[in-house]
Amino acid sequence: AQTVTQSQPEMSVQEAETVTLSCTYDTSESDYYLFWYKQPPSRQMILVIRQEAYKQQNATENRFSVNFQKAAKSFSLKISDSQLGDAAMYFCAYRSRNTGNQFYFGTGTSLTVIP
Amino acid sequence: GAGVSQSPSNKVTEKGKDVELRCDPISGHTALYWYRQSLGQGLEFLIYFQGNSAPDKSGLPSDRFSAERTGGSVSTLTIQRTQQEDSAVYLCASSISRGPGGSPLHFGNGTRLTVT
Repeated sequence: AQTVTQSQPEMSVQEAETVTLSCTYDTSESDYYLFWYKQPPSRQMILVIRQEAYKQQNATENRFSVNFQKAAKSFSLKISDSQLGDAAMYFCAYRSRNTGNQFYFGTGTSLTVIP
Repeated sequence: GAGVSQSPSNKVTEKGKDVELRCDPISGHTALYWYRQSLGQGLEFLIYFQGNSAPDKSGLPSDRFSAERTGGSVSTLTIQRTQQEDSAVYLCASSISRGPGGSPLHFGNGTRLTVT
């Protein structure tokens, strides 16, 4: 089974600054999807951004962007101009394109935004 | 509704009692997942339904846990003879089985189960 690793249990960032959350994964597949989810204290898991492995271009959604390094199996999330509302748990997830519908989640990174 | 709906939002039960947790997925989503999230932890996969196929039960932690999905829509997760270690947030998610953009999961707000 694929594994997803988030090596930073906790991170903090000053409001308006930039922070990068790391995620690595282990797979033998060449085609797959990667996701970042945000879980605020309300518990609702919200999709932040997604990346298709066959696309070389890094995905961007407003202040959120990824650095996808396929060879290194790395998928980091960059949050620019951090806002208080960005404070949450962030989960990285992997989904195979070809084999089944299982999602594999990392253990999460708790992000604190300091006013 | 517009999103995944879970009920109840919170459930407190006594050890040894049975509980049922309900999930109403987004209309048209053929895939439905149950996850368990213990306090401050990641997501633990429990079970996955896809259309009329046999569910993937590989994540169920014991035979006290079961789930069904009626009519390919609403799902119920049942925990029999609850134990204190069952206390957690139970998250349901649905997705289109095969769609553009990797068919991301859409999550409900979860049910917080507390076993006393």
